[in-house]
Amino acid sequence: DAKTTQPTSMDCAEGRAANLPCNHSTISGNEYVYWYRQIHSQGPQYIIHGLKNNETNEMASLIITEDRKSSTLILPHATLRDTAVYYCIVGHTGTASKLTFGTGTRLQVTL
Amino acid sequence: NAGVTQTPKFQVLKTGQSMTLQCAQDMNHNSMYWYRQDPGMGLRLIYYSASEGTTDKGEVPNGYNVSRLNKREFSLRLESAAPSQTSVYFCASSGGTSGQETQYFGPGTRLLVL
Repeated sequence: DAKTTQPTSMDCAEGRAANLPCNHSTISGNEYVYWYRQIHSQGPQYIIHGLKNNETNEMASLIITEDRKSSTLILPHATLRDTAVYYCIVGHTGTASKLTFGTGTRLQVTL
Repeated sequence: NAGVTQTPKFQVLKTGQSMTLQCAQDMNHNSMYWYRQDPGMGLRLIYYSASEGTTDKGEVPNGYNVSRLNKREFSLRLESAAPSQTSVYFCASSGGTSGQETQYFGPGTRLLVL
């Protein structure tokens, strides 16, 4: 599975958009980009995933570059409850997709 | 819908003791997973089960055994606990369209081995 590189930490003011980058330059053609987050020792929570097109759901937007070597997770209006560790993961297709979690980006949302 | 449930929430063991961590899901998912998370680290896959009746090793299987009891339940057993197994253990399940499976996680079991 491809490895990912994320900044260790980021800050964001409440109400502003949080843009979390991820590099995955060795991603292969059938690997998806997944984003999960973990709020203070809870179990990780799925946010969004995509293959090549940009995706949006009620939680976030995912922008994947045309060459698929990087992506950005966008939380459009960050709140204090979005303070968490965000994991960018690339994974192969197929059943029982095994996800490799790195150390993620610690996002701190402040007043 | 409870999602993924884990028992117990906390456990303290002495070195050499054994225990079983229980996990159950009510989402009719085919696949289930066990991860461990050490302080300041990401999650590491211990074992997974692609479907009822099958299990496979993940990244860090040594010292653990698993049982996929039925479609709902996937247990993790420590036969002889060691201090290096002090960690938070997360169970997860998935069952979406092949290649787009998203995993749903339980709340975790915090294990301390003295």
